[in-house]
Amino acid sequence: SQKIEQNSEALNIQEGKTATLTCNYTNYSPAYLQWYRQDPGRGPVFLLLIRENEKEKRKERLKVTFDTTLKQSLFHITASQPADSATYLCAPGEGGGYNKLIFGAGTRLAVHP
Amino acid sequence: EADIYQTPRYLVIGTGKKITLECSQTMGHDKMYWYQQDPGMELHLIHYSYGVNSTEKGDLSSESTVSRIRTEHFPLTLESARPSHTSQYLCASSGDKRVAYEQYFGPGTRLTVT
Repeated sequence: SQKIEQNSEALNIQEGKTATLTCNYTNYSPAYLQWYRQDPGRGPVFLLLIRENEKEKRKERLKVTFDTTLKQSLFHITASQPADSATYLCAPGEGGGYNKLIFGAGTRLAVHP
Repeated sequence: EADIYQTPRYLVIGTGKKITLECSQTMGHDKMYWYQQDPGMELHLIHYSYGVNSTEKGDLSSESTVSRIRTEHFPLTLESARPSHTSQYLCASSGDKRVAYEQYFGPGTRLTVT
């Protein structure tokens, strides 16, 4: 069955450093992959989308890579801030019109001052 | 902020009661989704709809049912609530022509069945 794996351990980093989160998937060939941020008690918020024919995508301090050979996506936050502390969800999606996503359990990021 | 609303935000109810969780969006999106999420766990898709009068079951089996009579409204119903239904339920929509495939989420309903 399709499986999405994200670091189950929380990631603790110092303010100003770069945070790197990993998403691996198996038994799946997604047409695109999305990253979301989720704060406690709230719904996820969309951050970035990268398609299977794109290697890298950037948005302000965020960068996402997508390696379809390794079946892996990396999510980077540069110059991290305490306000970046949240859980980050990886969600590969199939093609077609339904836009169905499969979500990973997420990685909790804590940025310390 | 996305224009997608869920009510109630919190619900504590006894076993055997019928409940309806409301979800509405004002963005005119054609696709809507219901997810179930337990604390610290992944979101599981339980229902989705790609337009009025179309509904499909998601990847996680659920005893709930949904309806899509109007584009903006996608309610979820549990005919007889059980403690195993205790969870967070998240509604989402997509279809924004400016950004393909992004899903907008509501704030969620935290359901507790006693």
